[in-house]
Amino acid sequence: QSALTQPASVSGSPGQSITISCTGTSSDIGTYNYVSWYQQHPGKAPKLMTYEVSNRPSGVSNRFSGSKSGNTASLTISGLQAEDEADYYCSSYTGRNTLVVFGGGTKLTVL
Amino acid sequence: EVQLVESGGNLVKPGGSLRLSCAASGFTFSNAWMTWVRQAPGKGLEWVGRIKSRTEGATADYGAPVKGRFTISRDDSRNTVYLQMNSLQIEDTALYYCTLGLCIASKCHYDDAFDFWGQGTVVTVSS
Repeated sequence: QSALTQPASVSGSPGQSITISCTGTSSDIGTYNYVSWYQQHPGKAPKLMTYEVSNRPSGVSNRFSGSKSGNTASLTISGLQAEDEADYYCSSYTGRNTLVVFGGGTKLTVL
Repeated sequence: EVQLVESGGNLVKPGGSLRLSCAASGFTFSNAWMTWVRQAPGKGLEWVGRIKSRTEGATADYGAPVKGRFTISRDDSRNTVYLQMNSLQIEDTALYYCTLGLCIASKCHYDDAFDFWGQGTVVTVSS
């Protein structure tokens, strides 16, 4: 069981928007604005998509946006494209012995 | 260009040991804090541990499942970080990634945003 809770799967049609949630606790997401999201295609290493809740690294499309409310973070992908089909993982800094916790991952299917 | 190349993965029996290496290039390794993340087959990501730079004591922190069994070390002369794994358990079977946090402006997100990843090395624990 992962420390952060994500839905197992979400789906959407090309051009639509989808949102993936990531629920933690007051000890991680609720306290720290150090939430990141990763995209992972099959057989590939994860790719950082957002950090510090809503910042995007250079080169990441502005179709990807992050947000947070209370103990829950979210990743929204707008204008869905076929290449967005992948697994998505959230993570949060915790400040505890296990410094970083990840969500269990969400499989995004583009219909 | 940042490159992280892991090696050392293998098949090992329960209770055995293994040492993984991660050779780094393309950045000032001696200043960097390095992190190991693993992914069991068909499962999600799991933070294994992190080592600080030598100027900050080269101290390491570990996730609960591996604390006391795994040790992270570094050799700045070789630009290499190591993961010594002892008392291996079947649950340690995974693809092990070496990662580097995002540095932007004068701030590095060593503990919260992993921007560079190696290709991973596979550890299989089985009798």
